[in-house]
Order: sequence, then structure tokens, then C-alpha cells
Amino acid sequence: DVQMTQSPYNLAASPGESVSINCKASKSISKYLAWYQQKPGKANKLLIYDGSTLQSGIPSRFSGSGSGTDFTLTIRSLEPEDFGLYYCQQHNEYPYTFGAGTKLELK
Amino acid sequence: QVQLTESGPGLVHPSETLSLTCTVSGFSLTGYSVYWVRQPSGKGLEWMGRMRYNGDTSYNSALKSRLSISRDTSKNQVFLKMNSLQTDDTGTYYCTRARRGTRAVMDAWGQGASVTVSS
Repeated sequence: DVQMTQSPYNLAASPGESVSINCKASKSISKYLAWYQQKPGKANKLLIYDGSTLQSGIPSRFSGSGSGTDFTLTIRSLEPEDFGLYYCQQHNEYPYTFGAGTKLELK
Repeated sequence: QVQLTESGPGLVHPSETLSLTCTVSGFSLTGYSVYWVRQPSGKGLEWMGRMRYNGDTSYNSALKSRLSISRDTSKNQVFLKMNSLQTDDTGTYYCTRARRGTRAVMDAWGQGASVTVSS
């Protein structure tokens, strides 16, 4: 199985700041990496797929980059609603695997 | 409006079988694939398996011997059955819709069904 390693595990930031979350695959997954946001009481939300394609309806302050084994989710100018958990997922091969998550907290 | 709603028993005894139902609205099961994903308590997400739009199924090999996914298109429902449950199967179980045109990207999620395995 492809192991997905996310970093950092925890991240504290203030509204208006920019942050980056990294995801590393144990083998090449080409461009096939998705990012999701998880918040209590809300359905998980797809943010980015194919490494850098923004899902419809997601604000442009979210962006994704990378290919092969190394990927990054960047959130520019954080809004209060951006705080929560973020997961990466490889969608290149079975079984589709997720990172352990990054908790983005208010500083 | 796309919606997925998981339902099932909140408590299952060890060694018994878990049965969950995902009821969908706003899209057709013959046009979209539905995936099941779980999140063991305090842990990350795990892809369990899928029901493709054409009725084919695929499973995570780690769960394949215990897992079965089926559907009733007339009722807009997808079913998950997993046997021989143990305490580490406790967690939240989600059904998701797979985005068309991209492999295994989940563009809509249910709120999740909480399952506790305990005697």
C-alpha cells in the first residue's frame, strides 16, 4: 500500500497568515493527490484533486502543488472558517490511502 | 442538492456483523460510484471499498474477507456489511460519492455513522 506522510501534525496560525501542509507518498503517485477539510458537525469537504485542481466552489486562497511523491497544500490569508483538520489522499492506486491529518488551530 | 445519509446501529457486539445503509439523493447510483470510508476512533481515514455506477465492487484487501457492499438502485441505497467486528472497528463510517471523470476523488460525504463495538 502507498503510505502517505503528512506534516506537520499540528499547526497554529492567525487569521490573515498563510500556511502550508505537506504530504509525502512512499512511492510516486504521479499527480493523483487530493486534499480534504474536516470540521466537527460538518461533512468532509473536497478542496483539491489531481494535485492542483481546485474543486468547484472552493475559494482561490486554497492551492495545491506537487507531483510524484511530494505535495503541498497552501492556504493564503487564512479565514476563521479555515481552522480544522486537513487530510491528503492518494487517488492513484488501490487501496486509496490517506495521510494521518494536520490539525490547523487558531494561534 | 447532493446528499448522502448513513444509518445503522450505533452499538455492535464483538464478533457480530455491522450493517449500514447509505441513502443518497440528488444523484443516481447508476451514474456515480459510492465509496465507504471509515475513521477508527482517534485515527485517520481508511478507504474500505466501493460500489461502482455499473454495479461492480472493489474492496480494500485489508478488509476484503469481512466486507460486502451492495445496492438497491430503486431505493437509492448502498449497503455495507462487515462481519467479525472487534473493538478496533469502533469509529465513524462514511459513505461518499466519487467525482465523475477522476479516479477515487470523493466530492460529497455523508455526516458519518458512529459505530461502537462493545459487549
